[in-house]
Amino acid sequence: DGGITQSPKYLFRKEGQNVTLSCEQNLNHDAMYWYRQDPGQGLRLIYYSQIVNDFQKGDIAEGYSVSREKKESFPLTVTSAQKNPTAFYLCASSMWVGQSLEQYFGPGTRLTVT
Amino acid sequence: AQKVTQAQTEISVVEKEDVTLDCVYETRDTTYYLFWYKQPPSGELVFLIRRNSFDEQNEISGRYSWNFQKSTSSFNFTITASQVVDSAVYFCALSAPEDSSYKLIFGSGTRLLVRP
Repeated sequence: DGGITQSPKYLFRKEGQNVTLSCEQNLNHDAMYWYRQDPGQGLRLIYYSQIVNDFQKGDIAEGYSVSREKKESFPLTVTSAQKNPTAFYLCASSMWVGQSLEQYFGPGTRLTVT
Repeated sequence: AQKVTQAQTEISVVEKEDVTLDCVYETRDTTYYLFWYKQPPSGELVFLIRRNSFDEQNEISGRYSWNFQKSTSSFNFTITASQVVDSAVYFCALSAPEDSSYKLIFGSGTRLLVRP
């Protein structure tokens, strides 16, 4: 089955610890994205990558870091510098199909920091 | 600047009623893409539809229909004969090459509650 996997589904951490969220896709998509969702709100872009070994900051990148060493993988690290890390994190990927843009989302990781 | 506005925060209807979710967007690009996603309580985003800016035909898929009007920058979503399983948060999103990233700009979502 082709798709995007995120693990784990639920993650608990103590304040002050860095934590890495996994995102893997086997869709052969070039672009990958990380979004954050807070309760009752829409999604906000954290980081994105359009090609391997390149990534750009989104709207709320402070306190986060990413890497894109492989086309299939785009892990997100939530550092201790992120002031409010508790949120739902969604990974997405996209590619062009003709003149259409195909966008797919993973199932998400719910991070709780106490 | 790009922006998506979903003015309806929450809508409550009784099963079998029709309901329309509004979406208004802003972009200076002439080529762009509009999306609707459904987010059930489990949290995953379920893709419903993608519409290109150069295709203004309205679309119907079963009980779902979408009305795209460039003149008013709107992309509204109607559910006909709503069912309890339609209860979810619905997001409208825009993707445009403002900085060549084609990242998604989301509205704040509309929570739909369908009561039996």
